[in-house]
Amino acid sequence: GEDVEQSLFLSVREGDSSVINCTYTDSSSTYLYWYKQEPGAGLQLLTYIFSNMDMKQDQRLTVLLNKKDKHLSLRIADTQTGDSAIYFCAETSPGGKLIFGQGTELSVKP
Amino acid sequence: GAGVSQTPSNKVTEKGKYVELRCDPISGHTALYWYRQSLGQGPEFLIYFQGTGAADDSGLPNDRFFAVRPEGSVSTLKIQRTERGDSAVYLCASSPGGGGEQYFGPGTRLTVT
Repeated sequence: GEDVEQSLFLSVREGDSSVINCTYTDSSSTYLYWYKQEPGAGLQLLTYIFSNMDMKQDQRLTVLLNKKDKHLSLRIADTQTGDSAIYFCAETSPGGKLIFGQGTELSVKP
Repeated sequence: GAGVSQTPSNKVTEKGKYVELRCDPISGHTALYWYRQSLGQGPEFLIYFQGTGAADDSGLPNDRFFAVRPEGSVSTLKIQRTERGDSAVYLCASSPGGGGEQYFGPGTRLTVT
């Protein structure tokens, strides 16, 4: 069945780059998404990548997709304390429903 | 413009009671999704509406859960005979069409005592 895996925690220093990794199982996923969730808040759509792309850059965010290995990553350049949150990777399933990973908690230390 | 809104933001109910959770999607979005997020987990899909009809209800855990979207806009998730295991944050999302990017509301935190 469909499954999305992420590491649970990542800690970086302010100003460093953060790389959050994700693996997924459904090779038919058309889009893959990254969402950000701050404490007590809903999910904020950060960025997404179409499955026929290898890379997408959006300001400080870079998404890399390795479709052969079903591996997705999100790189945040110049990480700030305001980037501290839980980051969810999600794949689309037929019909459009999202299958989410467990989330990676990013902690940014000053 | 207005985003997805959900009411109430918090709901505390006793075991066995009936609850209704409301979602107001972004105007013009035809697709509406309900998810449930337990503590420390990612959201899990419950049901998807395209217009007024439920296109996929495969995520509803059992027949105590039901959702409607009678006019193709606002949706209500209904839970009968609530159990403590139903305690979670219920999230609603809408999308311009099925399969596109989904925009989430702030969620309703349901606590069953």
